[in-house]
Amino acid sequence: EAGVTQSPTHLIKTRGQQATLRCSPISGHTSVYWYQQALGLGLQFLLWYDEGEERNRGNFPPRFSGRQFPNYSSELNVNALELEDSALYLCASSLDRSNYGYTFGSGTRLTVV
Amino acid sequence: TQLLEQSPQFLSIQEGENLTVYCNSSSVFSSLQWYRQEPGEGPVLLVTVVTGGEVKKLKRLTFQFGDARKDSSLHITAAQPGDTGLYLCAGPYNNNDMRFGAGTRLTVKP
Repeated sequence: EAGVTQSPTHLIKTRGQQATLRCSPISGHTSVYWYQQALGLGLQFLLWYDEGEERNRGNFPPRFSGRQFPNYSSELNVNALELEDSALYLCASSLDRSNYGYTFGSGTRLTVV
Repeated sequence: TQLLEQSPQFLSIQEGENLTVYCNSSSVFSSLQWYRQEPGEGPVLLVTVVTGGEVKKLKRLTFQFGDARKDSSLHITAAQPGDTGLYLCAGPYNNNDMRFGAGTRLTVKP
């Protein structure tokens, strides 16, 4: 069974540009979660999508947005990139987060220069 | 302020030593999870604890959930270099997404 896949692995953008990150969940998982992990820090919750709907978002500005497609894959968009957006962006999917936890992808390393 | 506070932030020990890391909160959680993250990878689930006072063992790792379900600990016996990584605790927030602590970065030297 394929795990959670994220693309691209690395992304370098210039300040002010837009970045698009992609995630495919494990087959059968309808929920996708996005987290930001800045260097040396823990995971900060960004967005939760389930059944195509945004269910919750963390304390991030509106320039962080996303969507979930009918096949449950998801896209995270970051507009007007700032230097502090440089981080590892992790996507996770889950069947039942309370009992089985999350399965994470390997992440997209976004560098803003 | 973090919902889940982890300590210590950093820990460097020699192979063969024992260690304990902690995850504390002022909130009650229905469950807590522990993950390990290695460089360049996403976190991997180690265990879920659900019942207050519960103890779970995974080879040399022992996980305990506090009686009041506000805290948890991870004890590693005879640590090995392969145990090196970032250890994260996480719990469900308002029955929605999972919230993570900042983690304990463990280095086990051969």
